[in-house]
Amino acid sequence: KNEVEQSPQNLTAQEGEFITINCSYSVGISALHWLQQHPGGGIVSLFMLSSGKKKHGRLIATINIQEKHSSLHITASHPRDSAVYICAVNSGGGADGLTFGKGTHLIIQP
Amino acid sequence: DAGVTQSPTHLIKTRGQQVTLRCSPKSGHDTVSWYQQALGQGPQFIFQYYEEEERQRGNFPDRFSGHQFPNYSSELNVNALLLGDSALYLCASSLSWASFYNEQFFGPGTRLTVL
Repeated sequence: KNEVEQSPQNLTAQEGEFITINCSYSVGISALHWLQQHPGGGIVSLFMLSSGKKKHGRLIATINIQEKHSSLHITASHPRDSAVYICAVNSGGGADGLTFGKGTHLIIQP
Repeated sequence: DAGVTQSPTHLIKTRGQQVTLRCSPKSGHDTVSWYQQALGQGPQFIFQYYEEEERQRGNFPDRFSGHQFPNYSSELNVNALLLGDSALYLCASSLSWASFYNEQFFGPGTRLTVL
C-alpha cells in the first residue's frame, strides 16, 4: 500500500510570495496528481504527471521518480490561490484508485 | 459539455438507515470511482466501476456497495449507517479502465451527515 505524505500541512503566506508544497510517496507509481480543493468540497485536477515537469500559468509541478518526490510551486501567489492542495498517486498501471495525501491548507493573505 | 454531477448535494440520515448517492460521469467517460473524505482528511478510495462491474475496491466493508448503469452513471449505496460514515462522498470519472494514465475528473461531492 502506497503511503503519501505532504508537507507542510498548513501554510500561510503573503500575496506575491513563491509557494512550494511537497509530496513524497513510498512505492513506485504510474502517475501522480496534484488536485485543488476549495471550501465546499469541489476538487479540480491541476496536473497529472509521471516524469519531469509541467507548467500551467503560475503553477509548476515537478516529479523525481528516483527520489519518489514531487513538488507543486505557485509563483506570484494571489489570495484566490487559497485552497487545499492534495497530492494523489496511482500505484500501478490501469484501474487502481488514487491514494491521497492529507492535503496542504494554503492561505494567501493580501 | 457537462462535467461530473452528483446528487443530492447534502443528506442527513440517522444511524441504521440506508442511503443511495448518485453520480453522472463527464460526457464520454466510462469509468466511475467513488471516494470518501472525512473532515480534515484526504479522500479514501472506495471502489471503481467499469463496464457495469466493480473492478477494484479499497478497504471498505460490504455495507458499501455500488452499481453502474449502461449509460455509465453510478450509484453508491451504504447500508446500516454508522456515525463514522459522515463524510463528503466524491465521485470521479475517467476514460477507460485500461488507460495507464488515469486522469480523473471530480464531481462536487455529496455531504452525508449521520445523526
